[in-house]
Amino acid sequence: QSALTQPASVSESPGQSITISCTGTGSDVGGHNYVSWYQQHPGKAPKLIIYEVSNRPSGVSDRFSGSKSGNTASLTISGLQAEDEADYYCNSYTTSRTLVFGGGTKLTVL
Amino acid sequence: QVQLQESGPGLLKPSQTLSLTCTVSGGSISSGGYYWSWIRQHPGKGLEWIGYIYYSGSTYSSPSLESRVSISVDTSKNQFSLKLSSLTAADTAVYYCGRSNTKQYYYGLDVWGQGTTVTVSS
Repeated sequence: QSALTQPASVSESPGQSITISCTGTGSDVGGHNYVSWYQQHPGKAPKLIIYEVSNRPSGVSDRFSGSKSGNTASLTISGLQAEDEADYYCNSYTTSRTLVFGGGTKLTVL
Repeated sequence: QVQLQESGPGLLKPSQTLSLTCTVSGGSISSGGYYWSWIRQHPGKGLEWIGYIYYSGSTYSSPSLESRVSISVDTSKNQFSLKLSSLTAADTAVYYCGRSNTKQYYYGLDVWGQGTTVTVSS
């Protein structure tokens, strides 16, 4: 299985919105709705922010939202804040009952 | 709440076998609905899923690593372990253990250890 494809970096100004894409295949992202997203700040463990494509765990800001179309999942962050500056990773369950991560996207809040 | 803690050697030599243990506290590893995972992160790079195990012993591993990976569970100690053989410098990474929650989060990894750094060098 190959890593899911994410843009290496994105940047936007505070208050604006950004969308990060995550492209896989019919064997992972396109095969079901078990797509999750993680936020990782430097030196810290990742944090689950989206599960099952578009659901947020309790305590995660509603500025984070997820969606999927075909083999591509997306994470949108609205009302960007300085604290959102971090690395973001998508993850998908696969038809082989394994998991696969995306390569990660570095978000810079200008 | 459930917490995970990795333990194991930080420095190994090429060709050796890495052995890491993840201790689960605040909950039982035998609770159904969770797969206990290993993930690693090479320096300055992205996350790589290594594999996971169910409390019953069923395991699944990344195809790229499965020939070198062994994951086991000890329910009496509330621990699960990773063995990675034939180490090279390319295995230098931070290794995380995590809980893949199928009950609430559809395989989302909702609990992570703090990570342990493993360096492979002669």
